[in-house]
Amino acid sequence: GQQVMQIPQYQHVQEGEDFTTYCNSSTTLSNIQWYKQRPGGHPVFLIQLVKSGEVKKQKRLTFQFGEAKKNSSLHITATQTTDVGTYFCADPGYSTLTFGKGTMLLVSP
Amino acid sequence: DAGVTQSPTHLIKTRGQQVTLRCSPKSGHDTVSWYQQALGQGPQFIFQYYEEEERQRGNFPDRFSGHQFPNYSSELNVNALLLGDSALYLCASSLGTSSSYEQYFGPGTRLTVT
Repeated sequence: GQQVMQIPQYQHVQEGEDFTTYCNSSTTLSNIQWYKQRPGGHPVFLIQLVKSGEVKKQKRLTFQFGEAKKNSSLHITATQTTDVGTYFCADPGYSTLTFGKGTMLLVSP
Repeated sequence: DAGVTQSPTHLIKTRGQQVTLRCSPKSGHDTVSWYQQALGQGPQFIFQYYEEEERQRGNFPDRFSGHQFPNYSSELNVNALLLGDSALYLCASSLGTSSSYEQYFGPGTRLTVT
């Protein structure tokens, strides 16, 4: 898979604030996956986006896939302390899954 | 329905030693992939096993080897351990070899090399 870059590396918000992490690729992606890893835990699959311009929602989480399929974003509305963790995007590529470095989210009550 | 299980949970080894990590996939899954996750980094793909054969391999030296058994469980072996091998080793299972399939991760084995 191609290398995917994630920004920011780290974000600290107050509970109730919104949060967004961005994933960018220099090449066109066939699709993209998002995972969440809680502190001390393991990655858990959140979603896969396949279509250009696709937008999917899971409660307070909104996932977008860019029109050119070179970028993606995850937006969390009104963060809660349970949202704490590292969010990874991952490029399935042709045969192997390549993860970004992740965005660590810290939420203060 | 049991998820992915891994053993041991933690392991401490000395440089030069060899280690074997074990993984049982989620019930019904036939494909196992191994990842190395260094502190503060994303998981890095090591290799994938399907039908008891290595199907894909990431950029890891031959010191890293594996095996898959008829019951789909898998082992990861690392020889001649280096300090840089200290990491969380994650096993993930899926139904099929496509990287587009959802990966179910186990809790991982934390390996410390001293």
